[in-house]
Amino acid sequence: AQSVAQPEDQVNVAEGNPLTVKCTYSVSGNPYLFWYVQYPNRGLQFLLKYITGDNLVKGSYGFEAEFNKSQTSFHLKKPSALVSDSALYFCAVRDTRANAGKSTFGDGTTLTVKP
Amino acid sequence: NAGVMQNPRHLVRRRGQEARLRCSPMKGHSHVYWYRQLPEEGLKFMVYLQKENIIDESGMPKERFSAEFPKEGPSILRIQQVVRGDSAAYFCASSSVASSTDTQYFGPGTRLTVL
Repeated sequence: AQSVAQPEDQVNVAEGNPLTVKCTYSVSGNPYLFWYVQYPNRGLQFLLKYITGDNLVKGSYGFEAEFNKSQTSFHLKKPSALVSDSALYFCAVRDTRANAGKSTFGDGTTLTVKP
Repeated sequence: NAGVMQNPRHLVRRRGQEARLRCSPMKGHSHVYWYRQLPEEGLKFMVYLQKENIIDESGMPKERFSAEFPKEGPSILRIQQVVRGDSAAYFCASSSVASSTDTQYFGPGTRLTVL
């Protein structure tokens, strides 16, 4: 079985400050990890993914995420937040042992960046 | 290159009616996934289809829900005899290969409201 936890429902940061959105996961095999962003009344937009290799993954819009196997975490980060980053962020995991298609999503974290 | 298309974007049905949600995958993609997002919750996997085949329907309710992806035309998610609890946003995603590492790209969603 695979699962994802996003421990914070809300994250508030000031514009220009660094941001972190947390994600921890549980899988039986090796994890494939994804971050998506959702703007109001829109679908999910892919930000980045970790498959293998470098633990630090760089993605769209200046976001990056760090894979930490020992802590089973995949936190999303950005060095300098923008007001336009305000949105709902989802972490997702797939287990290499599981069916190829099935992704398990966290419940989402609402990021608010204040000017 | 058009993204994943879903229609209608909004659908209102009365209890007991049928709802049909359509999804056209990205060009070149032959794998389709349906997810449901209840208010204030994350996405829950429903079903994974390839052309003319259901690969994984472990997330589909046992009754009233069905999905298909015919050789020609869009994928259809069908909900018979809708109830108020079916009110949600239904998202379709597509990918080009059946791989755990492949990115799923999401459509804008269909927001179903059952009166």
